[in-house]
Amino acid sequence: NAGVTQTPKFQVLKTGQSMTLQCAQDMNHNSMYWYRQDPGMGLRLIYYSASEGTTDKGEVPNGYNVSRLNKREFSLRLESAAPSQTSVYFCAGIAGAGETQYFGPGTRLLVL
Amino acid sequence: GEDVEQSLFLSVREGDSSVINCTYTDSSSTYLYWYKQEPGAGLQLLTYIFSNMDMKQDQRLTVLLNKKDKHLSLRIADTQTGDSAIYFCAEKATGGTASKLTFGTGTRLQVTL
Repeated sequence: NAGVTQTPKFQVLKTGQSMTLQCAQDMNHNSMYWYRQDPGMGLRLIYYSASEGTTDKGEVPNGYNVSRLNKREFSLRLESAAPSQTSVYFCAGIAGAGETQYFGPGTRLLVL
Repeated sequence: GEDVEQSLFLSVREGDSSVINCTYTDSSSTYLYWYKQEPGAGLQLLTYIFSNMDMKQDQRLTVLLNKKDKHLSLRIADTQTGDSAIYFCAEKATGGTASKLTFGTGTRLQVTL
């Protein structure tokens, strides 16, 4: 996965609990992304960060916050989890030619 | 906004060629990508094509781009059971500096013996 790591791999939350998903990349590129993947809907962009210190909303930002801690790390926070946030979450960074996004292995989140 | 569409399912026999199709709406897309996702795994980049190209070949993979029809295809020659996965087409949104991608819903490829 070209140097993108995510933790945790799995998480079960109760409605209303909070948690932070961690992502780190070693590709030394400015841009990082958070997506969610739901059955039949492909990947949808939650937030992205074009450079350290900047973040922007994507297609489905409601219920999430992000922090670009430094060039390597981009975290996604759920302040009050809801069952609708049950999904698989992927972080991505850019490397190589073609401005290609490389993905982490994903975090599977279940909100009860 | 951008929209990317794919058929949901394709079944082929082992050894045959697979062709997975994708249509997109953003005529100014600069890069288009194909990703593969195996069960329980993340997305793996297969290949990409720059918009000024019509075709790109990489071993068993051939990508064809028809900009006039906004149509992208991925051909897998001599399809193997290990090719069974979900394949996503994606286009790079124009404008801005963050290289945002718009993904299709994915095509599930089933390879039968």
